[in-house]
Amino acid sequence: EAGVAQSPRYKIIEKRQSVAFWCNPISGHATLYWYQQILGQGPKLLIQFQNNGVVDDSQLPKDRFSAERLKGVDSTLKIQPAKLEDSAVYLCASSPRTSGSDIQYFGAGTRLSVL
Amino acid sequence: GESVGLHLPTLSVQEGDNSIINCAYSNSASDYFIWYKQESGKGPQFIIDIRSNMDKRQGQRVTVLLNKTVKHLSLQIAATQPGDSAVYFCAENGGSNYKLTFGKGTLLTVNP
Repeated sequence: EAGVAQSPRYKIIEKRQSVAFWCNPISGHATLYWYQQILGQGPKLLIQFQNNGVVDDSQLPKDRFSAERLKGVDSTLKIQPAKLEDSAVYLCASSPRTSGSDIQYFGAGTRLSVL
Repeated sequence: GESVGLHLPTLSVQEGDNSIINCAYSNSASDYFIWYKQESGKGPQFIIDIRSNMDKRQGQRVTVLLNKTVKHLSLQIAATQPGDSAVYFCAENGGSNYKLTFGKGTLLTVNP
């Protein structure tokens, strides 16, 4: 079974530029998550989708971050304009949302450096 | 706000020893807990999980213990190997469905 795919793996941009990340979850997984992981910290949830609807985006900085999951499969996360403090690894995860299992499966992440 | 935290930020053990990584949680509504392992440059990898109706759960070389009285979670790794070197995170669901809050992580270093 293929895992969660993310691209690109690395991205370097200057502040005030825009950037987009892509995620392809595990086939059949209804729930998709985007996390931000700052160096030395645990992942912090940005947004959670159930199929193509948003379940939780309470920690998403909506003035600069946006995310979509058209057709309930792939998802993109965008930052516009980027700030220095956005430098982090952006992780995508998916879960099957079956009874008895809350396991989230993570991709390798996209490492963003904002200069 | 309520959060999940770890007692020890770093842990160094000798190969073959047993490792114990601790985690304290403060959200009494949490009923699901999960441990992840994260190697450098990779995403978190599921290790083991436990629900609040259990005190102990065993996997291959790993055991998770849950003490709800003192809101404490631990991960035990038997016969630690160099490949176990990584950052370990505990996470809890805060009583919500399918949403996890992660702690800061513990760096485990295994010396050959």
